[in-house]
Amino acid sequence: EAGVTQFPSHSVIEKGQTVTLRCDPISGHDNLYWYRRVMGKEIKFLLHFVKESKQDESGMPNNRFLAERTGGTYSTLKVQPAELEDSGVYFCASSQGTENEKLFFGSGTQLSVL
Amino acid sequence: GQQLNQSPQSMFIQEGEDVSMNCTSSSIFNTWLWYKQEPGEGPVLLIALYKAGELTSNGRLTAQFGITRKDSFLNISASIPSDVGIYFCAGRRYGGSQGNLIFGKGTKLSVKP
Repeated sequence: EAGVTQFPSHSVIEKGQTVTLRCDPISGHDNLYWYRRVMGKEIKFLLHFVKESKQDESGMPNNRFLAERTGGTYSTLKVQPAELEDSGVYFCASSQGTENEKLFFGSGTQLSVL
Repeated sequence: GQQLNQSPQSMFIQEGEDVSMNCTSSSIFNTWLWYKQEPGEGPVLLIALYKAGELTSNGRLTAQFGITRKDSFLNISASIPSDVGIYFCAGRRYGGSQGNLIFGKGTKLSVKP
């Protein structure tokens, strides 16, 4: 069974450009989460989808970040326009959704904004 | 915002030695989790703890959910080279959503053969 897959694995862009990250959760997992780790700091929660609905987006930094999950399958996270402080590793995770369910993480997208 | 204090930040040990790391929080958690991240990969769950005082083992790994609900530790016994990686603690607050985990900054473990 395929795990959580993220694309691209690395992205280098210039300040002001737009970048879209994609996450494909494990098949059948209704819950999808985005996290971010800025270098040297902790992994921080961004938001949580249940199917196509945003359950909790309390961690989204600002309105330059837009997450979507049309159809409740894969999700995209768009940053527009990107700023230097957006650099970091963006992780996606998924779970089936029962209480205390284990989260499975993808390998992450390393975003560098120059 | 809510933070977890994870220590130590890094450890350099000899193969065969035991390792201990811990996390503390200023607020109460109802779940403590320990993850390991290897280079180029995402975090992988090692141990999950759901009750205060709970002590759980996974092979050479042992973790405990502190009685105060504000701390947890992870021990690795008889370390081996493949234990190298970054270990993260994470907690879930009472009333927090399923996936809204609070992570520590990680403990980077290096094991010398």
